[in-house]
Amino acid sequence: GDSVTQMEGPVTLSEEAFLTINCTYTATGYPSLFWYVQYPGEGLQLLLKATKADDKGSNKGFEATYRKETTSFHLEKGSVQVSDSAVYFCALSDRAGGTSYGKLTFGQGTILTVHP
Amino acid sequence: NAGVMQNPRHLVRRRGQEARLRCSPMKGHSHVYWYRQLPEEGLKFMVYLQKENIIDESGMPKERFSAEFPKEGPSILRIQQVVRGDSAAYFCASSPPGGREQFFGPGTRLTVL
Repeated sequence: GDSVTQMEGPVTLSEEAFLTINCTYTATGYPSLFWYVQYPGEGLQLLLKATKADDKGSNKGFEATYRKETTSFHLEKGSVQVSDSAVYFCALSDRAGGTSYGKLTFGQGTILTVHP
Repeated sequence: NAGVMQNPRHLVRRRGQEARLRCSPMKGHSHVYWYRQLPEEGLKFMVYLQKENIIDESGMPKERFSAEFPKEGPSILRIQQVVRGDSAAYFCASSPPGGREQFFGPGTRLTVL
């Protein structure tokens, strides 16, 4: 079945440092890939997405490229801020049949803490 | 355009009681998904519903859990005879027909005493 593996956390960085959170996946079909962010006590917000190989998703300074050859979707940001402190989840969605997409399969999440 | 709404936000139940969690999808969304987040863990898929149909319930525990999405009204996740291990955050997400992206609600945090 489908699976997503994220790098172990937590990750602690100083403000303006470079961020990489690794994500690799296993899927039988041609999944769409996502990064979601969860702030304390809140639900998940979509950060960025990519729907096919070599697509680059980007938002708020974060980027991730869909690499089919390495089955990866690593999240990067050139200069993190204190406000980026949150839990980051990598996820994939594969077709459920027909034109609809089914469940999201999530990685275990990576806690990011950014210090001033 | 209101987002996905869930209520209650916090729910406390004693062992053996029933818990009912409600989810109203975004306007125009006919697909609803339920996920459970146990403490210190990621989200696990439970069930995928369209109006009046269960499409995929492969993540639902075989006993005590049920879900519905009626023609009118919110989707309901029902947990009968709750146990302490049911304590978790339950998130609902919705998507439009054919949509890849799911939009999440704020979650219901269930505590079983």
